[in-house]
Amino acid sequence: DAGITQSPRHKVTETGTPVTLRCHQTENHRYMYWYRQDPGHGLRLIHYSYGVKDTDKGEVSDGYSVSRSKTEDFLLTLESATSSQTSVYFCAISASTGTDEQYFGPGTRLTVT
Amino acid sequence: QQQVKQSPQSLIVQKGGISIINCAYENTAFDYFPWYQQFPGKGPALLIAIRPDVSEKKEGRFTISFNKSAKQFSLHIMDSQPGDSATYFCAASFKAAGNKLTFGGGTRVLVKP
Repeated sequence: DAGITQSPRHKVTETGTPVTLRCHQTENHRYMYWYRQDPGHGLRLIHYSYGVKDTDKGEVSDGYSVSRSKTEDFLLTLESATSSQTSVYFCAISASTGTDEQYFGPGTRLTVT
Repeated sequence: QQQVKQSPQSLIVQKGGISIINCAYENTAFDYFPWYQQFPGKGPALLIAIRPDVSEKKEGRFTISFNKSAKQFSLHIMDSQPGDSATYFCAASFKAAGNKLTFGGGTRVLVKP
């Protein structure tokens, strides 16, 4: 998985609670991305980062925030989890726009009850 | 708004047969078209990718065909093997948008022995 770890790998939480997912990379890549995967929708971009403290919104950013204080870590926070945020979350990394290639982590399965 | 449409949703092929998955896109700014392979419980893995300046790219048993005028591209898996049973996703991105990937909905391929 290209030096990418995600934690936790599985989490069950209750509606209304905050949740933070962590993505850690050892590749020193500049770009990091958070996607969610739902049946029939493929993967959809939530937020991405193009450098430390530089982030931007993706297609489905409502209800999510991100932070990147170090090159290797990209955090995704669900401010108040809802059942619609039950999904599998994937982190991806990319070296630069020149290479285009994105490599994905193993995913976090989140269930909001 | 689904900018990349993928078909079929599922596919059953006999061992040794050809699997064909099609994708159509809308945004003519897209300049990078990867295919990802995903096994259950794993993250998507980059399989093969193409840029619009070529019409075909082959890597082993996997071939991408690209038709710029029709805004379509397809993945052909030759001599399909049971180990190819997985979900396949097409995607598209462009540099000016930070290489954010837009994914198709996925195709579940089952290769019967």
